[in-house]
Amino acid sequence: QSVLTQPPSVSEAPKQRVTIPCSGSSSNIGSNVVNWYQQFPGKAPKLIIYYDDLLPSGVSDRFSGSKSGTSASLAISGLQSEDEADYYCASWDDSLNGPVFGGGTKLTVL
Amino acid sequence: QVQLVQSGAEVKKPGASVRVSCKTSGYIFTSYGISWVRQAPGQGLEWMGWINSYNGNTNYGQQFRGRVTMTTDTSTSTAYMELRNLRSDDTAVYYCARDTTVTTGNWFDSWGQGTLVIVSS
Repeated sequence: QSVLTQPPSVSEAPKQRVTIPCSGSSSNIGSNVVNWYQQFPGKAPKLIIYYDDLLPSGVSDRFSGSKSGTSASLAISGLQSEDEADYYCASWDDSLNGPVFGGGTKLTVL
Repeated sequence: QVQLVQSGAEVKKPGASVRVSCKTSGYIFTSYGISWVRQAPGQGLEWMGWINSYNGNTNYGQQFRGRVTMTTDTSTSTAYMELRNLRSDDTAVYYCARDTTVTTGNWFDSWGQGTLVIVSS
């Protein structure tokens, strides 16, 4: 059972917009930054959003992050087949004194 | 460019220890910490712990305390993670990641390629 809650899977058609939610609590998302990672099968994760809504250099601006209270979300616009991957949210947890991850969401582009 | 290159796959018996290395380049090693994250087959990401590359201070995840040791060698810009008393459920891919820590959290902006550790009798 992951500390942060994500849906196991989401799907959407090409060119559309999809959002992936991430739910936490006051000890993590509610008081600390949220980051998002993209992972392709057999590959290392890649940082795509940090500090709630910032894009690392080289990451497409089709990705965006937001946070409100104890929840956060990742939005991907103009979906492409190459966006099919697993997406993980993460945030520091003050009670556990370490970062925690969501269980991951598998994105399928129909 | 920033690179983290990890050591190769390992097969270990239950009760044994494993040491994974993570050689970094492309940045000032002591300016960033290193975190270790593992991923069991078909499962999600699990943070194991962090080491301050400058002074060697560590912060281990609760479930790994007493079994894990993280160290660094600043002369070679290399980080190491040793996990002892291995069990079958330690079978996983182990990643090192460059860790940026701020007052309200941290993130991992570069990752190693991963090291598969298989624990089997």
